[in-house]
Amino acid sequence: DAGVTQSPTHLIKTRGQQVTLRCSPKSGHDTVSWYQQALGQGPQFIFQYYEEEERQRGNFPDRFSGHQFPNYSSELNVNALLLGDSALYLCASSDKRVNWKKLFFGSGTQLSVL
Amino acid sequence: AQRVTQPEKLLSVFKGAPVELKCNYSYSGSPELFWYVQYSRQRLQLLLRHISRESIKGFTADLNKGETSFHLKKPFAQEEDSAMYYCALSGPGGGADGLTFGKGTHLIIQP
Repeated sequence: DAGVTQSPTHLIKTRGQQVTLRCSPKSGHDTVSWYQQALGQGPQFIFQYYEEEERQRGNFPDRFSGHQFPNYSSELNVNALLLGDSALYLCASSDKRVNWKKLFFGSGTQLSVL
Repeated sequence: AQRVTQPEKLLSVFKGAPVELKCNYSYSGSPELFWYVQYSRQRLQLLLRHISRESIKGFTADLNKGETSFHLKKPFAQEEDSAMYYCALSGPGGGADGLTFGKGTHLIIQP
């Protein structure tokens, strides 16, 4: 089991562009959460997907949106990129039937906005 | 609003010495507390949860509701304990409310 996989590992965009990040959960997991980690900060909760629906959302604007597919994989979309969106984006999966709070993290996607 | 505070950005101790990483939280209710760890070049991973009251790699953490703290302790530090440690909080129940993380403490164990 490769665990949680994220792609791409690095991404460079310019202000105003749109970006899509992808995540495949750990085998057997049905819940995907996305976190943003700015340099020197802890991860900050963006949103969580379960059964292909956004179940909860952190304090992020509508420019941040997501999707979960029937195979439990997920995408994070960010529109109208700002310089402040530069960060490491972490995907975490969990099994809601067991304990959704036991998160398994991916290695992240490093997004740089120029 | 819920908040997690880790007052030390960096903590350096010698091998064999006791370790205590501080975590204080703010939450109007009964939270669940966690410690996550990230070793060099590895992913962030769960170290322990207060609910399970377990000891992982010699680390323990006790939830003190009076002091709203969840400090991580180990009696004798080992070099392999060097890592970034994050304290995290969640509301109880099955709600998908995400985890609130602190800013982390970088623990360095000197030989």
